[in-house]
Amino acid sequence: IVLTQSPATLTLSPGERATLSCGASQSVSSNKLSWYQQKPGLAPRLLILDASTRATGIPDRFSGSASGTDFTLTISRLDPEDFAVYYCHQYATSPLTFGQGTNLERK
Amino acid sequence: EVQLVESGGGLVHPGESLKLSCAASGFTISASNVNWVRQASGRGLEWVGRVRSKAKNSATEYGDSVKDRFTISRDDSKNTAYLQMNSLKTEDTAAYYCKVHDSANRVDYWGQGTLVTVSS
Repeated sequence: IVLTQSPATLTLSPGERATLSCGASQSVSSNKLSWYQQKPGLAPRLLILDASTRATGIPDRFSGSASGTDFTLTISRLDPEDFAVYYCHQYATSPLTFGQGTNLERK
Repeated sequence: EVQLVESGGGLVHPGESLKLSCAASGFTISASNVNWVRQASGRGLEWVGRVRSKAKNSATEYGDSVKDRFTISRDDSKNTAYLQMNSLKTEDTAAYYCKVHDSANRVDYWGQGTLVTVSS
């Protein structure tokens, strides 16, 4: 399953709303798709699993949704610490795959 | 505190082999799948493969780019998983992470990564 993320780069200011997209080339069974945040030099951090379930300890400004083969990560109000690279990841079908990432940068 | 610690990375020549370890503490991996994920410098994440839990017969699955060259295994008595990498290529150069998902607590555990450099 190929995951295509858009946009490649998103430039916003703190307090704004961010909408990141991830399109799958085929159906993702049981919406087994997660979202990760990665900052330079660090391992990825799980934000969302099963398309819409927040991982433990993740602020409620992060939310995920699914519509068919399209998945969305929304950050309702950007905090300065949210500027990072975001990846979607499907774990429904082997080989598991990641999207190419969206770089959320600060304006 | 849960920790995953990868080790075994280093500099090797093309065609050589390397074995990485992923040692867990503060968490028992026996009921979990263990995934390996890599990331070349400045690039995105690439799933390398996984070993399923013993309950799922420790089955293994691999990404297309490493299939037939890499082997993942586990030793639950040592709370450790392994990634045996053979016939290494320059394009295998990356930081290698191990990852375990804790379903009960809805959280992932990742190691700090170990760097593998394949160069002549």
